[in-house]
Amino acid sequence: QSPLIQPASVSGSPGQSITISCTGTSSDVGGYNYVSWYQQYPGKAPKLLIYGVDDRPSGVSNRFSGSRSGNTASLTISGLQAEDEADYYCSSYTSTNSYVFGTGTKVTVL
Amino acid sequence: QVQLVQSGSELKKPGASVKVSCKASGYIFINYGMSWVRQAPGQGLEWMGWINAKTGNSTYGQGFTGRFVFSLDMSGSTAYLEISSLKAEDTAVYYCARLRPSIVVVPTGRGWFDSWGQGTLVTVSS
Repeated sequence: QSPLIQPASVSGSPGQSITISCTGTSSDVGGYNYVSWYQQYPGKAPKLLIYGVDDRPSGVSNRFSGSRSGNTASLTISGLQAEDEADYYCSSYTSTNSYVFGTGTKVTVL
Repeated sequence: QVQLVQSGSELKKPGASVKVSCKASGYIFINYGMSWVRQAPGQGLEWMGWINAKTGNSTYGQGFTGRFVFSLDMSGSTAYLEISSLKAEDTAVYYCARLRPSIVVVPTGRGWFDSWGQGTLVTVSS
């Protein structure tokens, strides 16, 4: 199973909005409503940000939002803050009864 | 609240075995699946597979068959990952992660990873 494709890095200034894309196929991202997003700080465990394509767990800031168009899912961070500087990964359930993660995106706050 | 607490770092020689534990608390253990995720140094996340905590059935991801075994101690609400015949390329941080929704609702294990252990670093070196 090939990883989902994410940009290696995305940057933005405080207060701006940025979007991270996650491109898969109709056998994963485009075929199931089990797309999720995770935030990971260096040396720490990942944290769930978005599940079910666009749902947010309680306690996660509403500055994080998810969406999908065809085989590409997206994570948007609005009102960018210094604390958002981290690595972000998407994930999807797949047609082979497995999961696949994205290649990961490093977000830098300028 | 849900907590997953993993065992400490391990240093092993090539060819040895290692068993990583993941003790769960704050929820009914047998009602959820548990996944394992690998992260090699400086690399991304890689799904290894999952175990159904109610039935004990395991599903292994591509590249994680043969030397990798998931198991459970249901009375102790603990999941285990055992890796045998260790190789240098097994050096990584291994995470356990609870699968949502509950397998009572979705028994196929489709979902997402809502709670994660802190990770266990396994270093394989001679």
